[in-house]
Amino acid sequence: EAQVTQNPRYLITVTGKKLTVTCSQNMNHEYMSWYRQDPGLGLRQIYYSMNVEVTDKGDVPEGYKVSRKEKRNFPLILESPSPNQTSLYFCASSLRRVIRTSYYEQYFGPGTRLTVT
Amino acid sequence: DQQVKQNSPSLSVQEGRISILNCDYTNSMFDYFLWYKKYPAEGPTFLISISSIKDKNEDGRFTVFLNKSAKHLSLHIVPSQPGDSAVYFCAASAVKDNFNKFYFGSGTKLNVKP
Repeated sequence: EAQVTQNPRYLITVTGKKLTVTCSQNMNHEYMSWYRQDPGLGLRQIYYSMNVEVTDKGDVPEGYKVSRKEKRNFPLILESPSPNQTSLYFCASSLRRVIRTSYYEQYFGPGTRLTVT
Repeated sequence: DQQVKQNSPSLSVQEGRISILNCDYTNSMFDYFLWYKKYPAEGPTFLISISSIKDKNEDGRFTVFLNKSAKHLSLHIVPSQPGDSAVYFCAASAVKDNFNKFYFGSGTKLNVKP
């Protein structure tokens, strides 16, 4: 079954304790992305990756890191979490659009609800 | 500054009637638009899309309309069913340096009453 998986689904942690949220897809997608969802703000992109070893900042990258060492995995790292990073996080993947007339939707994971106290 | 806006946080519709969800955008470089549906405790799932070369795309009960001059997108659901109750996100993308970045609206929560 084609899917994007995220772990953990729920996480409660304390300020400053490093954590990693894993994301994995089995569709051989080049493009992967992390979003956070906050009330009234919708989905905001944190980081994205076009392919292995190629990553770039999204709209809200502060306080986050990512890596893309393998095509299927795109972990999100919070080196020193703070309460303002309490949010619902989604990982997504898609084929990479390289020509103007190619269109691909993103596939989303089930989400990770993070609470930082 | 949000480039994709959904100004109605919620919408309530009677079963069997039409649901119309609206979305506005500001970036004229957007050329691909999508609607996603999200149930509680699940990730968004793709519903329907439209490219900027079209003004309408239909898939069963779902139709998306694009008005480029007004920078406006709408999703019509006819007839609405209780199972359509969910949060709907509008999204847009533009080809930028061979990357495919998606911009999302804040979502509209649709409630279809039996």
